[in-house]
Amino acid sequence: GEDVEQSLFLSVREGDSSVINCTYTDSSSTYLYWYKQEPGAGLQLLTYIFSNMDMKQDQRLTVLLNKKDKHLSLRIADTQTGDSAIYFCAESIPGSYRPTFGRGTSLIVHP
Amino acid sequence: EAGVAQSPRYKIIEKRQSVAFWCNPISGHATLYWYQQILGQGPKLLIQFQNNGVVDDSQLPKDRFSAERLKGVDSTLKIQPAKLEDSAVYLCASSPQGGRVETQYFGPGTRLLVL
Repeated sequence: GEDVEQSLFLSVREGDSSVINCTYTDSSSTYLYWYKQEPGAGLQLLTYIFSNMDMKQDQRLTVLLNKKDKHLSLRIADTQTGDSAIYFCAESIPGSYRPTFGRGTSLIVHP
Repeated sequence: EAGVAQSPRYKIIEKRQSVAFWCNPISGHATLYWYQQILGQGPKLLIQFQNNGVVDDSQLPKDRFSAERLKGVDSTLKIQPAKLEDSAVYLCASSPQGGRVETQYFGPGTRLLVL
């Protein structure tokens, strides 16, 4: 079965890098997603990676996947106050429309 | 392009009352989803529509929840009667035909508090 776990909180200083971690349990081929949710807003898909990839980079975002440990991370370079939000990790099997979400990591960026 | 619209944004009711939420998806999107997000948890899919037909409602508590999408565009989600544990944010999402996860666009949600 699918299960996704994340740490609940992360606090970083503005300008530093943030690393948000996630572990998943599904051992089959899978898609892994990172979403951002700002207060009072819906979910925004930031990026996603298929399990045959090790890394994906998109501007300030870097996703790293360790398939052996079923560990996914999201690195945000040069973190800004506008990055303060809840970040959700999710997984789904190919062709599925139903993602399984983690509980979310609250990222707090302070000056 | 306008995003997914939802109303109301906030609702407070007492337990055993009824409540309805409305969603207008992105124009042309055939697939519509309702998610429930309880405080401190990730969203959970309740129901998926393809045009005006239900594709998956396996996670919908059918004794009290109902949803419809009569003309294949707007959708309503109803809870009758509400329980305290229904307090959550109800998110609507839509996607083009096919409905892959990465093509889902989310609305801002309706925040429900049941007292």
